[in-house]
Amino acid sequence: QSALTQPASVSGSPGQSITISCTGTSNDVGGYNYVSWYQQHPGKVPKLMIYEVSNRPSGVPDRFSGSRSGNTASLTISGLQAEDEADYYCNSYTSSSTWVFGGGTRLTVL
Amino acid sequence: EVQLVESGGGLVQPGGSLRLSCAGSGLTFNHFNMHWVRQAPGKGLEWIAYISGSSDKIYYADSVKGRFTISRDNAKNSLYLQMNSLRDEDTAVYYCAAKWELIYWGQGTLVTVSS
Repeated sequence: QSALTQPASVSGSPGQSITISCTGTSNDVGGYNYVSWYQQHPGKVPKLMIYEVSNRPSGVPDRFSGSRSGNTASLTISGLQAEDEADYYCNSYTSSSTWVFGGGTRLTVL
Repeated sequence: EVQLVESGGGLVQPGGSLRLSCAGSGLTFNHFNMHWVRQAPGKGLEWIAYISGSSDKIYYADSVKGRFTISRDNAKNSLYLQMNSLRDEDTAVYYCAAKWELIYWGQGTLVTVSS
């Protein structure tokens, strides 16, 4: 049950777009459509931003989008805003009937 | 509005036990699959356990298998995590989360394992 691989940090200026990658294997990210992304502000509860690779829950701005290519999933945030500064985690169902999170990515809005 | 409220956290010595609870409201509890997720201080999220709505499917992370037990009482709209043989590395905020995609989260309860 190794954690999915995410970059430790990414940054961007307001209005720009950024992409956070999440790399797994064919036993998790590449094998199932159950990849989710969570946003967590410091001291706060994680919030679901994307589920089933590319679906947005109601209330999540359409600036947030998800995709996948092979064993790597991606979260793209377009039109960066100051309030997007947070930690982001990917999560995937696995072939062992477990779930696994990525190590997390700290997004800094410059 | 869906609400999940965890309780039962606290300070426990290594080797000790603790039972966490998660009370749900605003949802048809027995229809919801449930998870426990933890977050050590300053660290990332770690999934640790899952239970289906009818309790017929239960899964654990290797890090807690054999020491932790997830269960639920749908009549009481409650989820539980029995934690035994606790270790220093189990120190974390423990969250319950509802639905396969972990859509709804509680506020978390802090468990500190220390002598």
